[in-house]
Amino acid sequence: QVQLQESGPGLVKPSGTLSLTCTVSGGSISSSSWWSWVRQPPGKGLEWIGEIYHSGSTNYNPSLKSRLTISVDKSKNQFSLKLSSVTAADTAVYYCASFASGSFSSGTYYFDYWGQGTLVTVSS
Amino acid sequence: SSELTQDPAVSVALGQTVRITCQGDSLRRYYASWYQQKPGQAPVLVIYGKNNRPSGIPDRFSGSSSGNTASLTITGAQAEDEADYYCNSRDSSDNHLDVVFGGGTKLSVL
Repeated sequence: QVQLQESGPGLVKPSGTLSLTCTVSGGSISSSSWWSWVRQPPGKGLEWIGEIYHSGSTNYNPSLKSRLTISVDKSKNQFSLKLSSVTAADTAVYYCASFASGSFSSGTYYFDYWGQGTLVTVSS
Repeated sequence: SSELTQDPAVSVALGQTVRITCQGDSLRRYYASWYQQKPGQAPVLVIYGKNNRPSGIPDRFSGSSSGNTASLTITGAQAEDEADYYCNSRDSSDNHLDVVFGGGTKLSVL
């Protein structure tokens, strides 16, 4: 059973950089999943942030792309998120998750495993 | 990138059937997946692909799709099904890969 665990500061100052790491256990980060970040502002819906494949290939939410870096460390079975120039609007619960796919050309993709989520507050 | 549209709120009487829908252009190319989220908890996958349930998800949950619309049906809703439900899909418009979520549907079981 794959487990994901987010770690990082729960409080970030405005204009600073939000940094989180997700540790994958019970499975390999070199599997065929895309390793993803999803956030949820208090009382609001889910927002996809971006994803990385074990090869290092990334896809980012266009609305966050200019501030976003997602990286992978295969030796540690971890992937990380850095979001720069944060404001109060970036306050949210941040989840890491694995985005799996069905057979090639099946059109099937789904988040099969999620971390428990970590609240990051942007405030001075 | 595309968007997925869900009704903000739906209600169902205990034991009755309810359908939650999700519309978007990406659903013409990709299947929707569906997640249940209860307060203070991470989302849980309930349906993926054509109509697949992960282990441990009751068979009262089912999925279907037609054109640009995907549906999650709960047949015989239980009190514990009261939650927020989100649809999600891959998207490949604009020559790059994205992931999109619907805005969520709050299900009340009366």
